[in-house]
Amino acid sequence: DIQMTQSPSSLSASVGDRVTITCRASQGISNYLAWFQQKPGKAPKSLVFAASTLQSGVPSRFSGSGSGTDFALTISSLQPEDFATYYCQQYNSYPLTFGGGTKVEIK
Amino acid sequence: QVQLVQSGAEVEKPGASVRVSCKASGYTFTTYALHWVRQAPGQRLEWMGWINAANGNTKYSQTFQDRVTITSDTSASTAYMDLSSLRSDDTAVYYCAREGAWIDIWGQGTMVTVSS
Repeated sequence: DIQMTQSPSSLSASVGDRVTITCRASQGISNYLAWFQQKPGKAPKSLVFAASTLQSGVPSRFSGSGSGTDFALTISSLQPEDFATYYCQQYNSYPLTFGGGTKVEIK
Repeated sequence: QVQLVQSGAEVEKPGASVRVSCKASGYTFTTYALHWVRQAPGQRLEWMGWINAANGNTKYSQTFQDRVTITSDTSASTAYMDLSSLRSDDTAVYYCAREGAWIDIWGQGTMVTVSS
């Protein structure tokens, strides 16, 4: 199975900050990488697929990058509605696997 | 609009089975696959398996291979996830999720509590 490791596991930031979350795959996954946002008590929401393509309707302050084993999700200017937990997920091979999540909290 | 609506919360005893349904609307059911993913309290998302809604083919995680069955009813645009031999550590929120080439839409989740 491909292991997905996210860092950090949590971070505190202020509105307007630039935030970057990283995700590392235990083996190469090309660009078969998605990012999801999850708020407490809610289902995940798709943000990015194919490592860097924004899902329709996702604000342009979100961006994804990387290929192979190292990936990143960047929020260029953190907004109040962005405080949530973010997960990466590989879909290069089965079983699909998710990172452990990064909780973005208000400083 | 495109949505996946899941059945309501369930409380089951250890050893029992549970069925969770996922009704699709707003798109042609057979043109997408449906995955099942669960999330135990405070834990990461865990993939359980998927079904090709066009032909009924399935693939399961080895973790659940012996206990999970995923089926679909194309006439009802609904997928089902059956989990048997429930244990306390199966207590989790269970999600269905749509996939074309990547997961894009999630159901609202179904809480399954396993308790004696």
